[in-house]
Amino acid sequence: GDSVTQMEGPVTLSEEAFLTINCTYTATGYPSLFWYVQYPGEGLQLLLKATKADDKGSNKGFEATYRKETTSFHLEKGSVQVSDSAVYFCALDSGTYKYIFGTGTRLKVLA
Amino acid sequence: DAGVTQSPTHLIKTRGQQVTLRCSPISGHKSVSWYQQVLGQGPQFIFQYYEKEERGRGNFPDRFSARQFPNYSSELNVNALLLGDSALYLCASSLGGQADTQYFGPGTRLTVL
Repeated sequence: GDSVTQMEGPVTLSEEAFLTINCTYTATGYPSLFWYVQYPGEGLQLLLKATKADDKGSNKGFEATYRKETTSFHLEKGSVQVSDSAVYFCALDSGTYKYIFGTGTRLKVLA
Repeated sequence: DAGVTQSPTHLIKTRGQQVTLRCSPISGHKSVSWYQQVLGQGPQFIFQYYEKEERGRGNFPDRFSARQFPNYSSELNVNALLLGDSALYLCASSLGGQADTQYFGPGTRLTVL
């Protein structure tokens, strides 16, 4: 069945460091891919998405590129801030109206 | 505009009881999805409803059921509660198209004793 695998956290970085959170997926067909973020005390919210191969989603300085050949959708940011501390979830929708989420990666950014 | 709302915020039940959780989608959204999020894990898909019809179902037992009303609000019912049903139950709404953004509510925290 469809699945999403994320790198385990927590990830601890200093402010202005480069961030990569790895996400790989298994799916039949051509899924849409998403990154959701959950800030402390808040609900899940969409960070970015990509609906076809080679698409790049971007928002708030975060980017992720849909790589079909490596079945990956890694999240990157060039310079993280303390306010980026949150839990990040990779997710897919394989077109069967069943969203599959990864287990989440906690990011802590230190000033 | 109001976001997705869920009620109640917290709920405590005992094993064997039944529970009903409620969700009101964003105005104009016709699709509602339900998820179970156990502490430290990602959300697990339970159901998706669109225009009052079930459109997707995850790997949950028949003790879990849901419905969507003409105003697009939704209820999730869980019968014969088990300790393992303790979790945060999330509702998300969307316009209903493929890959449409899902907007999540704050969740209902269910504790089963």
